[in-house]
Amino acid sequence: DIQMTQSPSSLSASVGDRVTITCRASQGISNNLAWFQQKPGKAPKSLIYAASILHTGVPSKFSGSGSGTDFTLTISSLQPEDFATYYCQQYNIYPRVTFGPGTKVDIK
Amino acid sequence: EVQLLESGGGLVQPGGSLRLSCAASGFIFNNYAMTWVRQAPGKGLEWVSAISGSGGSTFYADSVKGRFTISRDNSKNTLFLQMNSLRAEDTAVYYCVKGVPAGGGRDYFDYWGQGTLVTVSS
Repeated sequence: DIQMTQSPSSLSASVGDRVTITCRASQGISNNLAWFQQKPGKAPKSLIYAASILHTGVPSKFSGSGSGTDFTLTISSLQPEDFATYYCQQYNIYPRVTFGPGTKVDIK
Repeated sequence: EVQLLESGGGLVQPGGSLRLSCAASGFIFNNYAMTWVRQAPGKGLEWVSAISGSGGSTFYADSVKGRFTISRDNSKNTLFLQMNSLRAEDTAVYYCVKGVPAGGGRDYFDYWGQGTLVTVSS
């Protein structure tokens, strides 16, 4: 299985901050990388696929980049509704997809 | 509007069985692979099982292989997960997830259900 790691595991930020989360795969996955947002008690929401393509309706403050083993999710200006846990996921080895452990973004 | 509505969760004793259902609407169900993903309390996301659009191909995580069976009824737009020989470590919220073909035999996820909680405890 491909192992996914994320850093940091948690971060505290203020409204308006630019936030970057890093995801690393244990082997190359091309651009077969997705990002999800999960708020407490809610189902995950799909944000990004193919490393950088936003799902319909996802605001442009979210952006993704990377290829191979190293990827980033950036939120350009953090808003109150963005405080959540973010997960990356590889789907290069499908259907045996694997998720990162998550990055919790909370209010400073 | 795509909707995925899970049901069938509950409290079950170790060694018991449950059958989860996921009612789908808003898309041509048999055109898409479907997946079950679970999340133990306070933990991350774990892939459980997947099934092709036709139902002819099924896949399982090692942790559930031989105990869980995924199936679908395309005439009723419903996905199932039959869970047998349940263990405490199967306690989790179970989500059904719709896939989208990404090329190369891969799918990415787009829509998630709201989840159904399975608790395995005596």
